Amino acid sequence: GQQVMQIPQYQHVQEGEDFTTYCNSSTTLSNIQWYKQRPGGHPVFLIQLVKSGEVKKQKRLTFQFGEAKKNSSLHITATQTTDVGTYFCAGAPDGNKLVFGAGTILRVKS
Amino acid sequence: NAGVTQTPKFQVLKTGQSMTLQCAQDMNHEYMSWYRQDPGMGLRLIHYSVGAGITDQGEVPNGYNVSRSTTEDFPLRLLSAAPSQTSVYFCASSPDVRQPQHFGDGTRLSIL
Repeated sequence: GQQVMQIPQYQHVQEGEDFTTYCNSSTTLSNIQWYKQRPGGHPVFLIQLVKSGEVKKQKRLTFQFGEAKKNSSLHITATQTTDVGTYFCAGAPDGNKLVFGAGTILRVKS
Repeated sequence: NAGVTQTPKFQVLKTGQSMTLQCAQDMNHEYMSWYRQDPGMGLRLIHYSVGAGITDQGEVPNGYNVSRSTTEDFPLRLLSAAPSQTSVYFCASSPDVRQPQHFGDGTRLSIL
């Protein structure tokens, strides 16, 4: 089964509201990566977290890596229509296999 | 700088036909991989390679073969296409598995 779980599968928010997606691994990860895929496009790398408890920010996006390095989250403050897309987390719980979560589809109502 | 190039962009096959999806990168990356994307399933790893001459199976390898004769190229072969293989296929490359992945534009494959 999928070793990297991601929730929720889908979220529809009003523009200006916040959004969070969560990622959980059954095993400890050396690092975790986050990607964004616009509708009809390909996944694009956003950020990588390596250290236990690490927090990184990119403008309105905040990424966290859990203390046990098994979970992570992406939080978007005050969503905009440009945030629309699918957000994926990815990690390598099993050697050289990079496994992606199922993704969270974000839709923003203006 | 082309990055990761996938061909073709679209393809329709009949059940039982064979086909090779091409993937080439010009960044001298050692790590390359193939994913399929289906609604609600995210990106599932088919096969990957850590360098020329080395390949290994991912999460969903059945029905697919790969080879890595050069650093640049990593073709994916469907030996006998089945409707269950209708999907969008993405190739990715990076210096290694723990570095950011660079994705191609994808191949949209339909099998009738």
